[in-house]
Amino acid sequence: SQTIHQWPATLVQPVGSPLSLECTVEGTSNPNLYWYRQAAGRGLQLLFYSVGIGQISSEVPQNLSASRPQDRQFILSSKKLLLSDSGFYLCAWSLGQGRESPLHFGNGTRLTVT
Amino acid sequence: SQQGEEDPQALSIQEGENATMNCSYKTSINNLQWYRQNSGRGLVHLILIRSNEREKHSGRLRVTLDTSKKSSSLLITASRAADTASYFCATDKGGAQKLVFGQGTRLTINP
Repeated sequence: SQTIHQWPATLVQPVGSPLSLECTVEGTSNPNLYWYRQAAGRGLQLLFYSVGIGQISSEVPQNLSASRPQDRQFILSSKKLLLSDSGFYLCAWSLGQGRESPLHFGNGTRLTVT
Repeated sequence: SQQGEEDPQALSIQEGENATMNCSYKTSINNLQWYRQNSGRGLVHLILIRSNEREKHSGRLRVTLDTSKKSSSLLITASRAADTASYFCATDKGGAQKLVFGQGTRLTINP
């Protein structure tokens, strides 16, 4: 069966510090991968998605970047965090290659920038 | 702008009652999906309804889709305290399943 791992669960970082959040998927190959951000009490905003290694699409201009160095690994990064980067970050996967499928989410990372 | 908008934003009912949540969207879609989120956790997929389907059932869940009105509803029958969560609709316009989520309905089931 497929599983998705996302870490860390919580993170407190000072303004101006770097960020690296990691997500890995097991049990499937060539998945689509996604990073979403959720503000408190709000819906989800799609930040990045990837349909293959090295293929990253950004949905919103911002202080963040994403990379997919391996088929089932997705990394969210920032060189210098802003206060506005605080939020709940969710990684997700779905079946790739044009196949219709729901999204499967990790348990999220709660990021607080102080 | 958000594609899906849920209504109401919050709903509180007694255990055993039915809960109905609505979702409206703006453009044509491939499918519409409903997700559940327990506090502080990731989202869990509940049900997917395609644009050519009008109604779908899964256990105590019933989803309807009216593409002419660009709206969907999620009905949870015989609610339980464990159904307390936030519920989100998400629309898929096709291509890499880039789902667009609404703001969610916060459902509270009182024992």
